[in-house]
Formats: sequence, structure tokens, C-alpha cells
Amino acid sequence: AQSVTQLDSHVSVSEGTPVLLRCNYSSSYSPSLFWYVQHPNKGLQLLLKYTSAATLVKGINGFEAEFKKSETSFHLTKPSAHMSDAAEYFCVVRSGGYNKLIFGAGTRLAVHP
Amino acid sequence: GAGVSQSPSNKVTEKGKDVELRCDPISGHTALYWYRQSLGQGLEFLIYFQGNSAPDKSGLPSDRFSAERTGGSVSTLTIQRTQQEDSAVYLCASSLEIRGSRYNEQFFGPGTRLTVL
Repeated sequence: AQSVTQLDSHVSVSEGTPVLLRCNYSSSYSPSLFWYVQHPNKGLQLLLKYTSAATLVKGINGFEAEFKKSETSFHLTKPSAHMSDAAEYFCVVRSGGYNKLIFGAGTRLAVHP
Repeated sequence: GAGVSQSPSNKVTEKGKDVELRCDPISGHTALYWYRQSLGQGLEFLIYFQGNSAPDKSGLPSDRFSAERTGGSVSTLTIQRTQQEDSAVYLCASSLEIRGSRYNEQFFGPGTRLTVL
């Protein structure tokens, strides 16, 4: 069965500093992995996706993630945080041959001036 | 174009009452999903509709929960005899299924916040 574990429930950074949100996955075969963002009182928005093409995936708003099979990781990074990045971020794996998504517990990112 | 819409945005009900939550997917999207987001359980899959195929109901937590999708478009999630533990945000998503594609992006609605008193 597929699953994802987000290693930090809360991350706090200063504006202009790098962001690292950690995610480890468990999958018996090559997974499809995603990062979604949820701003307060807003719907979920797809940041980026990995579907076995390039291991370094670039998404919207300057975010990127690297798929590392040897480490079973798919960490989300951004070189320089902006105040508008404050939100909850979800690492997600697609369930095998099905289309339902399995969400991690989420990481709440706070950005301080 | 219009995204996924859900109604109502907020619903407060008394324990034991039935509720209906509505989802309007993006026009032309063949697949529709319901998820639930709650403090204790995080984001969980509930049910998936794809075209005329039988729905995948594997995520429904009990037989008090049911959903239907009429005419391959609008979907209604019904919770009968609501309990306090049903309080959550119910999210709907839709996607355009492309045969042979490993990935079909799911677009999420803003959710319905259900509070059971």
C-alpha cells in the first residue's frame, strides 16, 4: 500500500530564507507523487507533480521537489520564502492503479518578516 | 473558466439529522472525487466516480454515508443520522481522465464545512 509521511507538522522560516518541507513515501512500485498547497479558507492547489519523468520537478511560485528513490523522499524546497507562501502543504501519493489520492498529515509553513 | 463549486459553504446541523452536500465539477470532467478533511484524521478519500463505471466507495466510513452523481455531472454526498464525529470539511475534486495517462490532475473545490452539534 502507498503512504506518505511528512516529517514536520510545523516549519517556521524568515522571509527571504530557504524553505525545506520534508516528505517520505512508501510504495511497492514507482509512485506518482504530488505537493498541494492550501491557503487559509482556500481550496487545495497543485504545486507540482512527479510521474517518473525528470527526478527534479519544478512547480509554481518557485517551488521544486526532487524525487530520490534511494531515500524514498520527495522533499519540497524553495530558495527564498515569501510572506505569501505561508500556508499548509500536503505531500500526496496516488494510490497505485487507482486515482484516489493519499494525503500526508500536512506541514504548516509560517513565514516571518 | 469556472472551477469546482460546492454548496453550501457552511452547514450547521443537529446530531441525528440528515445532510446533503453538493458538488458541481468542472464542465467536461469525467471523474469526480469526495474527500474529508478533519482535525483528527487529516485528508481522507471517501468516494470516486468515473464515467458510467461503478463508483469506488472504499473510503466511505460507514453506511450512513452515500453519494450519487446524476447525469455524469453534479454529485451529492448524503450523510444520514449525523454524528459529532462527522464534523469536518468535505472537499470535492474533479479531473479530466485521459486514458493511458499516469496522471490526471484533480482540481479541488473550496469545500463545505460541516458542524454537527
